[in-house]
Amino acid sequence: AQKITQTQPGMFVQEKEAVTLDCTYDTSDPSYGLFWYKQPSSGEMIFLIYQGSYDQQNATEGRYSLNFQKARKSANLVISASQLGDSAMYFCAMREATSGGATNKLIFGTGTLLAVQP
Amino acid sequence: KAGVTQTPRYLIKTRGQQVTLSCSPISGHRSVSWYQQTPGQGLQFLFEYFSETQRNKGNFPGRFSGRQFSNSRSEMNVSTLELGDSALYLCASSLVGQGTPSTDTQYFGPGTRLTVL
Repeated sequence: AQKITQTQPGMFVQEKEAVTLDCTYDTSDPSYGLFWYKQPSSGEMIFLIYQGSYDQQNATEGRYSLNFQKARKSANLVISASQLGDSAMYFCAMREATSGGATNKLIFGTGTLLAVQP
Repeated sequence: KAGVTQTPRYLIKTRGQQVTLSCSPISGHRSVSWYQQTPGQGLQFLFEYFSETQRNKGNFPGRFSGRQFSNSRSEMNVSTLELGDSALYLCASSLVGQGTPSTDTQYFGPGTRLTVL
């Protein structure tokens, strides 16, 4: 079965520093998509970045980059120059592959709570 | 473009009652998915609708049901509420829903927080 593992329940980072949030995944399907979402205390899930299994380059979106190591099945999120507003829960997710065809079902990890300190 | 909207934002119900939650996707999005988030179980997939058809279903009892209308708006219903149904219910929409990762990023609404007393 497909699975997402986030081993860091919580992390602290100083403002303006970079931080890496870990994510490992397990799948036997060669085609998959990996996502990172941010969830502030308000509850809304905010899309940050996407990496496709066939993408040759690591994805980047502004201050967010994804360190994709396919052989190790890891997709770590790197946030550069942390800001106070980055304090939130961060979820790694994978689109589940099914034999029946297309699906948008996401499998989520347990999340990492990031606290940015001034 | 307006984002995904969910109504109501907060609900308080008692055990045994039923509840209907509504989700309006981003304009042009045809795929709508529902998730339940609880402290104990995390984020769990409920079901996905595409073009008014349920395309995928999670491992939830039959008390949880949903539907999608021709304008892509979706509703989910929970009958005979239990204390364990207290959760944040999140709706997400995506553009195409054809399983192409680059085009099918899901965008989430603010959620409906349901409390069952």
